[in-house]
Amino acid sequence: NAGVTQTPKFRILKIGQSMTLQCTQDMNHNYMYWYRQDPGMGLKLIYYSVGAGITDKGEVPNGYNVSRSTTEDFPLRLELAAPSQTSVYFCASSWPGTGGEEQYFGPGTRLTVT
Amino acid sequence: DQQVKQNSPSLSVQEGRISILNCDYTNSMFDYFLWYKKYPAEGPTFLISISSIKDKNEDGRFTVFLNKSAKHLSLHIVPSQPGDSAVYFCAANFQGAQKLVFGQGTRLTINP
Repeated sequence: NAGVTQTPKFRILKIGQSMTLQCTQDMNHNYMYWYRQDPGMGLKLIYYSVGAGITDKGEVPNGYNVSRSTTEDFPLRLELAAPSQTSVYFCASSWPGTGGEEQYFGPGTRLTVT
Repeated sequence: DQQVKQNSPSLSVQEGRISILNCDYTNSMFDYFLWYKKYPAEGPTFLISISSIKDKNEDGRFTVFLNKSAKHLSLHIVPSQPGDSAVYFCAANFQGAQKLVFGQGTRLTINP
């Protein structure tokens, strides 16, 4: 199993440009998540999904959009990129359960907006 | 409102000694707590978890202690090894919740 894969690994965007961060998991997990990590900060939840066709906002959703058309894929869309979106983005997935289940993370996408 | 706090941004420990990483939380509804480890340029990986019905959970060199009355948990690593140098995140959630709340992380450096 490849686990959680993310593309691209790095990207530089100009202000106002758009892009999609790709995330795929091959573990048949129902739950998927997008986080951002700013320097010296913890992981902030952007959006999450509990299954195909179902998405919900996390702590910092402004400036982002998601879709979940399949169990495997959970792309994150940035519209009108801003310098404040410079960050490292992590995708994760997990099984639903009682609450103590671990989340499996991808390797991250480092995004710079200039 | 920071519901999960790791007040020490960094910690330096000598190889072979004990590393103790601390985490405080404010939401009394949390009943699961997890620790993740993160190396540079990689995603976090799960390390160990504990349910609120326990006060201790061990896995090899790693032990997590939970003090519910103080809303405090700690991760003990003994003996510390150079490969333990990483950023450690504490996370929490409660039964039925579909998402974790993470602390800011503590960078642990093990010195030879």
